[in-house]
Amino acid sequence: SQTIHQWPATLVQPVGSPLSLECTVEGTSNPNLYWYRQAAGRGLQLLFYSVGIGQISSEVPQNLSASRPQDRQFILSSKKLLLSDSGFYLCAWSEGSEYEQYFGPGTRLTVT
Amino acid sequence: DQQVKQNSPSLSVQEGRISILNCDYTNSMFDYFLWYKKYPAEGPTFLISISSIKDKNEDGRFTVFLNKSAKHLSLHIVPSQPGDSAVYFCAALSSNTGKLIFGQGTTLQVKP
Repeated sequence: SQTIHQWPATLVQPVGSPLSLECTVEGTSNPNLYWYRQAAGRGLQLLFYSVGIGQISSEVPQNLSASRPQDRQFILSSKKLLLSDSGFYLCAWSEGSEYEQYFGPGTRLTVT
Repeated sequence: DQQVKQNSPSLSVQEGRISILNCDYTNSMFDYFLWYKKYPAEGPTFLISISSIKDKNEDGRFTVFLNKSAKHLSLHIVPSQPGDSAVYFCAALSSNTGKLIFGQGTTLQVKP
């Protein structure tokens, strides 16, 4: 069966520091991968998605970036965090042409 | 521009009764709809979905109804159980883009 991992689970970082969040999927090949953010009291906002290695599409302009160095690895990064980057970050995957997306456990990021 | 709206931030029902969660959308290109359940500090869990060619889909205690003319869908949970207490998100996508657009979520509380 497929599983999705995210780490770390929680992170507290000062403004201006770098960020690296990692997501890996097991049990599937060539998944579509997604990064979402949930701000407090709001829905999920799609940040990036990838349909293959090295293929990244950005949904919103921001100081975040994403990379997919391996088939089942998706990384969310920032060179300098802003206070507004605080939130709950979720990685998700989907199978080929299937519409259902399956989410990881999330990372709670607090920028201080 | 909120394309998917869940106008009720919260809902409280008694155990054993029916829970009805509502969702409205504005984009007529949406042709696939999903419901997710989310506990605090966890990733959303896929519950049930429906294609626009159907008006009803049932899975155990969960039934989703779609009214395309009204651009409205609802999730019925019967009978409601205390373990159903969570935040419920509806999401929609157009098969042209494959991107999920989420509503803001409705917090369901089922009282014993």
